[in-house]
Amino acid sequence: RKEVEQDPGPFNVPEGATVAFNCTYSNSASQSFFWYRQDCRKEPKLLMSVYSSGNEDGRFTAQLNRASQYISLLIRDSKLSDSATYLCVVEGQAGTALIFGKGTTLSVSS
Amino acid sequence: DAGVTQSPTHLIKTRGQQVTLRCSPKSGHDTVSWYQQALGQGPQFIFQYYEEEERQRGNFPDRFSGHQFPNYSSELNVNALLLGDSALYLCASSGNDRAIYNEQFFGPGTRLTVL
Repeated sequence: RKEVEQDPGPFNVPEGATVAFNCTYSNSASQSFFWYRQDCRKEPKLLMSVYSSGNEDGRFTAQLNRASQYISLLIRDSKLSDSATYLCVVEGQAGTALIFGKGTTLSVSS
Repeated sequence: DAGVTQSPTHLIKTRGQQVTLRCSPKSGHDTVSWYQQALGQGPQFIFQYYEEEERQRGNFPDRFSGHQFPNYSSELNVNALLLGDSALYLCASSGNDRAIYNEQFFGPGTRLTVL
């Protein structure tokens, strides 16, 4: 089983749509969880951290289920500028290696 | 405030050659991590340096080695290059305050092509 697995893409949605990405991780000892965004041929950038209580940042909502080892990202009211690859990321031990999923590509069209 | 910088931006080498990639961390950061991102894949952790020592290493062969200097900058060296080493090499820097979460900031990467 891969350490971090994500939904296969690509996701092609119209502007205004709601889209959800899912991710599972294998190491139950993982401590921190994140979603990163990566634009084409650019470096990954932190989109948001993911907490057990769930957290929201504008149109973006992230959820973590430690019992199921499952992470999700919900994007509401998609914008053209949301088109990118979204990477599910797990940190095994504080301050050390980030374990990335393969990424899910989102394409938002007008 | 300069972010993470990497050099060179692009590099073309042939099989069997050696390459050195360089990274300067974000101001105030003392920890540098290196990642390899093959086309269509997520970044894979190579190793992390803190206080000029390798603190953690991923599943990469000994051909991959690194160094951190007193000013916290870092180098990644790859010997005996293989075609499969063609990838985007990303450097990420972070602080080391264990009391808080230290976000890792990525540089723009070096794109290595091995022919």
